[in-house]
Amino acid sequence: GAVVSQHPSRVICKSGTSVKIECRSLDFQATTMFWYRQFPKQSLMLMATSNEGSKATYEQGVEKDKFLINHASLTLSTLTVTSAHPEDSSFYICSASSLAKNIQYFGAGTRLSVL
Amino acid sequence: AQTVTQSQPEMSVQEAETVTLSCTYDTSESDYYLFWYKQPPSRQMILVIRQEAYKQQNATENRFSVNFQKAAKSFSLKISDSQLGDAAMYFCAYRTPLDYKLSFGAGTTVTVRA
Repeated sequence: GAVVSQHPSRVICKSGTSVKIECRSLDFQATTMFWYRQFPKQSLMLMATSNEGSKATYEQGVEKDKFLINHASLTLSTLTVTSAHPEDSSFYICSASSLAKNIQYFGAGTRLSVL
Repeated sequence: AQTVTQSQPEMSVQEAETVTLSCTYDTSESDYYLFWYKQPPSRQMILVIRQEAYKQQNATENRFSVNFQKAAKSFSLKISDSQLGDAAMYFCAYRTPLDYKLSFGAGTTVTVRA
């Protein structure tokens, strides 16, 4: 079964609204989670590293005020796309690192469509 | 930043045949990890195989095996006895022991012909 749960799998929203995506590690505690964005037929682009109890680390070119990340517990990280616009439409994927297994597990992804 | 290169955008293989996907990477580190992930049409990323750089023995997982050439910085994936369910996009990835961030290649789309 899935070890990382991502919700929702699909969301459609109006331009200007905010959307929250949740990422939960089910079988282990994850001090570090990652958020990726993926365009069709392209590779995963790392957006930010989510650290439990501290501020997220954003990759160059990613607007931190646009993509708010909160990692309030060892099993939950959230990504909020604020004031979404059509260009934010994409596939967003989270992952969590299992220190014990030294493996990064991925959520099933969220397809965001902004009208 | 580490660079991972997958030079084959697409590969096609006949069912039950073997296909090899290439991956090269650039690093100055001596210790690191390499991965192959599979992304089927569902878009769920699935770990296929993992290789620790300090291990000389090539990793194997059932029909999947790697050819790890550390000096050449090459990490190819061989899929033997290809099955229709192997059709997916395959990503090569790299990370160092201390930094859990993965660097991904551009991906290779594998098509399996019945």
